[in-house]
Amino acid sequence: QKEVEQDPGPLSVPEGAIVSLNCTYSNSAFQYFMWYRQYSRKGPELLMYTYSSGNKEDGRFTAQVDKSSKYISLFIRDSQPSDSATYLCAMSAGTDKLIFGTGTRLQVFP
Amino acid sequence: DAGVIQSPRHEVTEMGQEVTLRCKLISGHNSLFWYRQTMMRGLELLIYFNNNVPIDDSGMPEDRFSAKMPNASFSTLKIQPSEPRDSAVYFCASTPEGRLFYNEQFFGPGTRLTVL
Repeated sequence: QKEVEQDPGPLSVPEGAIVSLNCTYSNSAFQYFMWYRQYSRKGPELLMYTYSSGNKEDGRFTAQVDKSSKYISLFIRDSQPSDSATYLCAMSAGTDKLIFGTGTRLQVFP
Repeated sequence: DAGVIQSPRHEVTEMGQEVTLRCKLISGHNSLFWYRQTMMRGLELLIYFNNNVPIDDSGMPEDRFSAKMPNASFSTLKIQPSEPRDSAVYFCASTPEGRLFYNEQFFGPGTRLTVL
């Protein structure tokens, strides 16, 4: 079993929809949770960064962490075609390497 | 400021040839990560350095792969001999000096490697 599981999609939604992207993990030592966004033929870039459980909001994006269920989510409100990308979750226990999910490909159509 | 620079951006080679990928870190960064990305396996960490010292090379698939960091701003990843299954996009990423954790990584644009 992989340490981090993520549905590869693709997920196709109309413009304006609310998008929910999710990851599950098995290592209870993970304390830091990130979402990276990767546009086609580009490198990933950090989108959201949270520590431990709870919610964090940044504009149209909300990251949610439920450590008791080992489950993290990224919500995108009022999705736009420019949000079309692959979203990778990543996590770490702290002073160690990141473990990435395989990524979910999102397509927002006008 | 320039981001992480990788070269070449595309490489097509024949099986058995040596391949060298290059990465230049962002100024002020001191940790360097090499990743490989494929559709099947996603983003895999191959090796990472901190202050030019290799910290974890457990992701390096075989002895055919080697990585060096000859100075604080530059790294190479070499595959010798290359095989078709090495075809992937190779990314390097760096993190700023002084950060306690490696969570915010800055990725380069990647090198798309095709081994025929």
